[in-house]
Amino acid sequence: AQSVTQLGSHVSVSEGALVLLRCNYSSSVPPYLFWYVQYPNQGLQLLLKYTTGATLVKGINGFEAEFKKSETSFHLTKPSAHMSDAAEYFCAVRGRIGDDMRFGAGTRLTVKP
Amino acid sequence: NAGVMQNPRHLVRRRGQEARLRCSPMKGHSHVYWYRQLPEEGLKFMVYLQKENIIDESGMPKERFSAEFPKEGPSILRIQQVVRGDSAAYFCASSPPLFSESSYNEQFFGPGTRLTVL
Repeated sequence: AQSVTQLGSHVSVSEGALVLLRCNYSSSVPPYLFWYVQYPNQGLQLLLKYTTGATLVKGINGFEAEFKKSETSFHLTKPSAHMSDAAEYFCAVRGRIGDDMRFGAGTRLTVKP
Repeated sequence: NAGVMQNPRHLVRRRGQEARLRCSPMKGHSHVYWYRQLPEEGLKFMVYLQKENIIDESGMPKERFSAEFPKEGPSILRIQQVVRGDSAAYFCASSPPLFSESSYNEQFFGPGTRLTVL
């Protein structure tokens, strides 16, 4: 079975500062990992995903995440926050093809001017 | 290629009524997933369906909730005798057939249906 823990339900950064959203996973098989973003009153949009290969994954809007098997982590980062990054971010894990996706509880990112 | 479509986007029901939420997956997708998002909470998996089959309903409440994905038409999440605690956003996601070239296990989400029970 797979599960995800997102550390910090709320993260606040200043515009231009580093964004770091933490995600740790648990999986009995090699995982597929995802970050989704949800803007207010909208559905989820895929930011990036790790399937196989390179462990540093680049996504949309300048975000990236690194798969660290030894730490069972898949933290999301962005070097410089923008006001438009304010949203809810969800980490998700999926095991074998056909397994359902398990989401973390989400981290709400606030960007201060 | 239209994305995942859900309707209605907003649904208001009184306690005891029935709620029907519809989801049309992306073209070519044969797998549908339903999630519930309660206020200030993350997404909770409810059910995973393929055409005419329920694959995993481990997240579905045992009573009042049911889901189907018929051979023709959209997937339906049905909530009977709604209660105030059912108020939430319900998201549908779809994915391509297993083992297809694009099946990196990604799910594509619809905009959600926001159910309010008065």
